[in-house]
Order: sequence, then C-alpha cells, then structure tokens
Amino acid sequence: TQLLEQSPQFLSIQEGENLTVYCNSSSVFSSLQWYRQEPGEGPVLLVTVVTGGEVKKLKRLTFQFGDARKDSSLHITAAQPGDTGLYLCAVGGSQGNLIFGKGTKLSVKP
Amino acid sequence: NAGVTQTPKFQVLKTGQSMTLQCAQDMNHEYMSWYRQDPGMGLRLIHYSVGAGITDQGEVPNGYNVSRSTTEDFPLRLLSAAPSQTSVYFCASSHSRGENQPQHFGDGTRLSIL
Repeated sequence: TQLLEQSPQFLSIQEGENLTVYCNSSSVFSSLQWYRQEPGEGPVLLVTVVTGGEVKKLKRLTFQFGDARKDSSLHITAAQPGDTGLYLCAVGGSQGNLIFGKGTKLSVKP
Repeated sequence: NAGVTQTPKFQVLKTGQSMTLQCAQDMNHEYMSWYRQDPGMGLRLIHYSVGAGITDQGEVPNGYNVSRSTTEDFPLRLLSAAPSQTSVYFCASSHSRGENQPQHFGDGTRLSIL
C-alpha cells in the first residue's frame, strides 16, 4: 500500500488553464513537502507545509495542507509551459529520508 | 554554486560488470542518501549516511554498497550489475536528518544494464 496517493497520475492542459493536483493519505504527518522534477533533472523543493490548514503561495502556485494533516493540494493558476514537469509530494521517513508519492506528470501545451 | 554533483550522467553496463556512481556535495551537509527512480514505483531509498563513517541500509539495498569516508563524497557501488538495476539513480543531501529538512538532489545517473 502506497503511503501517499497522488492524483491525477497524468494531466495535459493548454496554457492559461487552471489545475489542481492532490496528495492523500490515511496517515497524519507533522509536515509535507512538494517537489517539482523537470525532465533529465533531480527533484527540486517547492515548499514545506507544517500546520494543518496552512496555505502557502509561490507566484502562481498555491499549496494547502489539510486541516487533519493527512492530505495536501497544489493549485496552479494560468499554467505556463514552464510548469511542465513531475510534481511529487513527500513526507519524512524514519531513516531521515523522504517517502514520495508516485507523482503527477503535468504537460502544459502552448 | 554546484550543490550535489553526480557522475556519470549516463552509463551502459553488461550483466555482471561492476561500477561506482559518484556523488559529491559542497554544502557541508551531514545527511546523504541514494534513491532509485523507476516507472510506476517512484523514488525508493537504497542507502543513506548521517555523517562521515556512518552508513545504513534503506528500502532496497540488495546489490549495492556505499561508503562515506568524507563529508563531501558518497559513492554508490554496484557489485555485479543485473538487468533489474536498470534505473535512474539520484543522490541527495540535507543539512541534517531532521524531518523538515529540504533535500537537495543531483541530476541523476541513467543506468542501463544489458
């Protein structure tokens, strides 16, 4: 059983559209991170959320941590081709590592 | 501003060959780790280190060895390559082992085993 379930798996949209991707679990977490991975590169941290109900904004990206700290969402407003990539949510593991969801692969067409 | 540097970027091996994937970081980070990324499986932890001289196994350690003789370097060795080890390998580092620590990733080594 996957600890973090991300949906949708794939998303293909036109430039200018809005979208939301989700990261869900039945477990409670003290914090959650979102990473973006572009083709041929490693994941890059976008944001860490730590408080239930917290909302963080990064330009056109809005991240929310669920009130119960079991889930999170990422909303992108007016998507651009530069937003194309694999979006990964992750939580801390017992070995100091990150446990990742399988990701949402986003393609934004001009 | 190098961050985490991985070499080589691409490698093709024959079954049974051995090789070492190199990873170096210049941020004086204590915690370093290796992941493999496979389609449908996501990123999985292979080995990790909390400091020089200290290493431990992750979720999928079989067939891999690591060592940490310096803070900067954390090489991953494939002892006898198998087709099941075809994958993209990422090295990551963070300041310490804490749960909220941001992890810095290299750009990966794409490894094919024939």
